[in-house]
This record gives sequence, C-alpha cells and structure tokens, in this order.
Amino acid sequence: EVQLVESGGVVVQPGGSLRLSCAASGFTFNDYTMHWVRQGPGKGLEWVSLISWEGSSTYYADSVKGRFTISRDNSKNSLYLQMNSLRTEDTALYYCAKGSGYQNRDAQLDYWGQGTLVTVSS
Amino acid sequence: DIVMTQSPDSLAVSLGERATINCKSSQSVLYPSNNENYLAWYQQKPGQPPKLLIYWASARESGVPDRFSGSGSGTDFTLTISSLQAEDVAVYYCQQYYTPPHTFGQGTKLEIK
Repeated sequence: EVQLVESGGVVVQPGGSLRLSCAASGFTFNDYTMHWVRQGPGKGLEWVSLISWEGSSTYYADSVKGRFTISRDNSKNSLYLQMNSLRTEDTALYYCAKGSGYQNRDAQLDYWGQGTLVTVSS
Repeated sequence: DIVMTQSPDSLAVSLGERATINCKSSQSVLYPSNNENYLAWYQQKPGQPPKLLIYWASARESGVPDRFSGSGSGTDFTLTISSLQAEDVAVYYCQQYYTPPHTFGQGTKLEIK
C-alpha cells in the first residue's frame, strides 16, 4: 500500500525558514517524480514544485521560485521542501504527492499524503 | 505558464441528475507525439486530500465509479457525473501536466439542489 506521510509543519514568523519532509513507502520511490502541492485556508489547490525521480530536475511555481528548494533522498525514501523567506501568503496545508508515470516528469498525481500545516504569522 | 480556468465556480444539481464541469486551458495540452491530452481531474471532499478521478482527459482511475467521465481535447475539457449521488458533493479540480508548472484550475464546488 502506497503511503505518503508529511511532517514539519509549524507556526513560523514572516521571514523565517522551515523544512518539510515526506516519508514514502509502498512503492519504488526512486522511480517516480514527486510533487508538493499546497492549499491555503479556504482556497484551491496550488501546485508548488516537482523533482524528477533521480533528483536531477526541479521545477517551481513562480510564487515560490528563489525561496523554496525541493530535494529528495532516495536512500531514505524521503522528499523535502526547504522553505526560506516565508511570507504570510505561504500559510497553507502542504501536500506531498506522487506522480503516476514511471520515470516520467509529466504525469497525473495518483497518491497524496494527508498534508502538514504551515502557518506564517507574527 | 498554462492557465486553467474552470466553470462554473459552483454548481447545485438534484440527486440523480447530470452534473457538468468545464475546464479550459490557455494553450493546448494535447501532445502531438502520442496524441494524449495531459489533463487530469481530482475530487476533494472536506478534510481530505484530493483524489485522482480522471487522467489523459478521459481515462478513469481504478475504482472510480463509471458515472464519472471525462471528455475534450486541446484546450476544452469536461467532467461529467451522469447521475449525481450524495457522496459526490465535493470540490472538483482540473490540472494540466503537459509542462511545469503543473497548474490547477480554481476549483468547482458541487452541491445538492
């Protein structure tokens, strides 16, 4: 059974930093592109970032480019999101999601975690 | 970036009736080399993560009831629920995965009339 478990969400002050983690199990982690998607309170889904299966390619939404860094450790079946220079508008539930396509960057998201809540507030 | 626009923003349909949600992309998401539309639909119920319903614009994910269907090509797509059930109350999102950023539509809230 595929499982994605996010952690690391806390309350942080504007300008602060945070690292989110996602522990994956139930599939061959190093064969799939992984994503972060966020959802602000009462808002829709916003795609944040992806990292290719081997970690060589990364992409970001314009809203987080230059502030967030996605990474993965395939030896630990883990995905990360380093978040710097946090703003109040980054307040959201952050989901980790698995891309469906085997060694394919562009694919639908077939499994999602439950999310971890990041609150940016003074 | 490809902008995804859904219509309507909200929709109320009677039980057993058809529900139709539209999604338009700012550029084509049809990949010529494989003739596939890089378009997915997700369902999100309150307090839950999104659930994949449809991919390649019209392929139903395993376990999804056949009352859900997707159609369209290029820039215009539709999600249809043929006979609305009470458990279908949710917010529905389209997403393009043709090229990063893999943008979502703003969502359509589906309720019972």
